[in-house]
Amino acid sequence: GQSLEQPSEVTAVEGAIVQINCTYQTSGFYGLSWYQQHDGGAPTFLSYNALDGLEETGRFSSFLSRSDSYGYLLLQELQMKDSASYFCAVNIWGKFQFGAGTQVVVTP
Amino acid sequence: DGGITQSPKYLFRKEGQNVTLSCEQNLNHDAMYWYRQDPGQGLRLIYYSQIVNDFQKGDIAEGYSVSREKKESFPLTVTSAQKNPTAFYLCASTPQGEFYGYTFGSGTRLTVV
Repeated sequence: GQSLEQPSEVTAVEGAIVQINCTYQTSGFYGLSWYQQHDGGAPTFLSYNALDGLEETGRFSSFLSRSDSYGYLLLQELQMKDSASYFCAVNIWGKFQFGAGTQVVVTP
Repeated sequence: DGGITQSPKYLFRKEGQNVTLSCEQNLNHDAMYWYRQDPGQGLRLIYYSQIVNDFQKGDIAEGYSVSREKKESFPLTVTSAQKNPTAFYLCASTPQGEFYGYTFGSGTRLTVV
C-alpha cells in the first residue's frame, strides 16, 4: 500500500524559511508533486520531482530522495499569502495519492 | 481561457436523494478524476477515467457513480447509498501520459440537510 506522512502544522514569521517534509511508503511511483490549497479553494500545482535532487521554482523548492523515501518542500522569504495547506502527492500509474496536508501559518 | 468548470459551487441535498455534480474541461485532457476532501484531511480518489467510455473505481467508490460519454465531461453522481456525502468534491484532469500534476476545478461543496 501507499501512505504519505506530513506534519500537520507549521508556524513561521514573515521572511522566514519553512521546510515541509514528506515521508512515504510505496512500492513504486513516477514522481512526487506538491500542491498549495488556500481555505475554501482548489489545490494548485507547485512543483514536481521525477528524479532525485532539488527543483527550484522562484521562492519554492522541492527535493526528492528515493533511497530515503523522503521529500520536502522549501518555502523561502515567507509572505502572508503563503498561509495555506500544502500537500505532497505521489503519482502511481497516472493517479495521485495525497498526504493529509500541512497547514502553514505565517505570522507578522 | 482553458480550464475545468465545476458546478454548482454549493449544493444542498436531502437525505435519500441522488445528486449529480458537473465537471467540464476544455483543456483537451484525456484523463479525468474525482476526489473527495473532508475538513482538515487530504484528497481521496473516488473514480477516474483515462479515456472516453471507460472509467475505474478509486479508493472510495462505494455510493458514487460516474459516466464518461464525452472527452470534455465527467459527471459524478452521489447516490443515496453514500452514507456520509457531506464533503468538498474536486474534479481534476491531466493529458494522457503526463505525470507531473493535475489541473483542478474550483470544487463543489455538498451538504446533506
